Amino acid sequence: AQKITQTQPGMFVQEKEAVTLDCTYDTSDPSYGLFWYKQPSSGEMIFLIYQGSYDQQNATEGRYSLNFQKARKSANLVISASQLGDSAMYFCAMREGSRGGATNKLIFGTGTLLAVQP
Amino acid sequence: NAGVMQNPRHLVRRRGQEARLRCSPMKGHSHVYWYRQLPEEGLKFMVYLQKENIIDESGMPKERFSAEFPKEGPSILRIQQVVRGDSAAYFCASSQGATNEKLFFGSGTQLSVL
Repeated sequence: AQKITQTQPGMFVQEKEAVTLDCTYDTSDPSYGLFWYKQPSSGEMIFLIYQGSYDQQNATEGRYSLNFQKARKSANLVISASQLGDSAMYFCAMREGSRGGATNKLIFGTGTLLAVQP
Repeated sequence: NAGVMQNPRHLVRRRGQEARLRCSPMKGHSHVYWYRQLPEEGLKFMVYLQKENIIDESGMPKERFSAEFPKEGPSILRIQQVVRGDSAAYFCASSQGATNEKLFFGSGTQLSVL
């Protein structure tokens, strides 16, 4: 069965330090996509980064990078040089069948609340 | 260059009333998805629509919930005879294609049922 697991309900990080948010997934589909979204206290869902299962390199978007370990079925988000504005809820999500026949029907994890301390 | 627009931002209803949630996708997007977020949980898929068609409603409750995406106008998620358990944040998202990498979300509608 498809499943996304985020085992860290909450994390603290010092401003300017790097932080890793964990995400593991379970799927029997060889083709899938993995997403990270940020949800600040205002409630909107902000797209951060995407990794396709066939992508050769780990995805990066500015200060965000995705540590994709396919054999371990993990897709951890790394935020470098944390800023106070990074304090938010972070959700990992998966889409199956990213090549042909796929839709954007995403399965979300339960989220990790990140607090950046000055 | 407006993003996905949802309204209202907050909606309060008494038990038994109807709730109508609206979603205008991003310009050029013809695929709309509705998700529900219960307190302390991640988002759960409800329904996927293209213009005038429901493609996948596997996440929709069987009763009281319906969704549409007419040829003209926004997508509507309708909840009839609301109950307290319907209180949640309802998010709409849109994409240009079915397999596009990025799914853009609106700011959500917070439904509170008294």
